[in-house]
Amino acid sequence: AQSVSQHNHHVILSEAASLELGCNYSYGGTVNLFWYVQYPGQHLQLLLKYFSGDPLVKGIKGFEAEFIKSKFSFNLRKPSVQWSDTAEYFCAVNAEAAGNKLTFGGGTRVLVKP
Amino acid sequence: ETGVTQTPRHLVMGMTNKKSLKCEQHLGHNAMYWYKQSAKKPLELMFVYNFKEQTENNSVPSRFSPECPNSSHLFLHLHTLQPEDSALYLCASSQDRQGNQPQHFGDGTRLSIL
Repeated sequence: AQSVSQHNHHVILSEAASLELGCNYSYGGTVNLFWYVQYPGQHLQLLLKYFSGDPLVKGIKGFEAEFIKSKFSFNLRKPSVQWSDTAEYFCAVNAEAAGNKLTFGGGTRVLVKP
Repeated sequence: ETGVTQTPRHLVMGMTNKKSLKCEQHLGHNAMYWYKQSAKKPLELMFVYNFKEQTENNSVPSRFSPECPNSSHLFLHLHTLQPEDSALYLCASSQDRQGNQPQHFGDGTRLSIL
C-alpha cells in the first residue's frame, strides 16, 4: 500500500545537538509535502511545507526540510535543537495519486534533554 | 489559538450512548476534516467536507455520522461505539481541497468508550 514512513519512532538528544528526522513516501506524480509538530498538550501545527520551487524549504523555529524527488524523501532538519523542541513531529503527504488526501506518517517523538 | 475549536475536550461514554462532537472554525475556510488519532497508529482521515458537501468517507463505520450544516461547523455524531473507537478525534480545516493548502487543527476531543 502507498504510504508515508517515518523511520524513527523516538529520538532522544541533548540541547545544541543537530536533528534530522527521516520521511519517505511511496506516491508517484505530484505531491505536496508537510511537516507538522505537536508540542506537549497542544494542537498539531504546521512547521513547514513544500509544493514547488526550491526543494530546500525553511520553516518556523529554525527548521528546514529538503525534498529529494529521486529518493521520495522529505527529511526535516534543525542544526541545533533546544529543550523547547521536545514534541512529536509528523510528516504528511498530499498526493494527486491518493486523491489529494493528506496521509500522515506515524510520527516521531523527540525528547531534547536540557 | 488555533482558529479551530473542538468541544468537548474529553468525553466518556458507554457503548449504548449517543453523543456528538462539535468543531467550529473561525478562519473562513471551505474544507473541513475529521481525523482519528489512536495510540501507535498514524493519523487516520475519516471524513472530508468541501463547501458543506461530503467529498470523502474513508470507509468509516456507520456508527460515526458526520454533519456539516455550514462551512464553519462540523459535527461527528456517535452511536453504539465500540471500545476500539477510544481515541483522540481531531478536526481540521483548510482554505479548500487543493493539495497545497495546509490544514489547521483543533485541540481534539479525547473519547473513551467504556
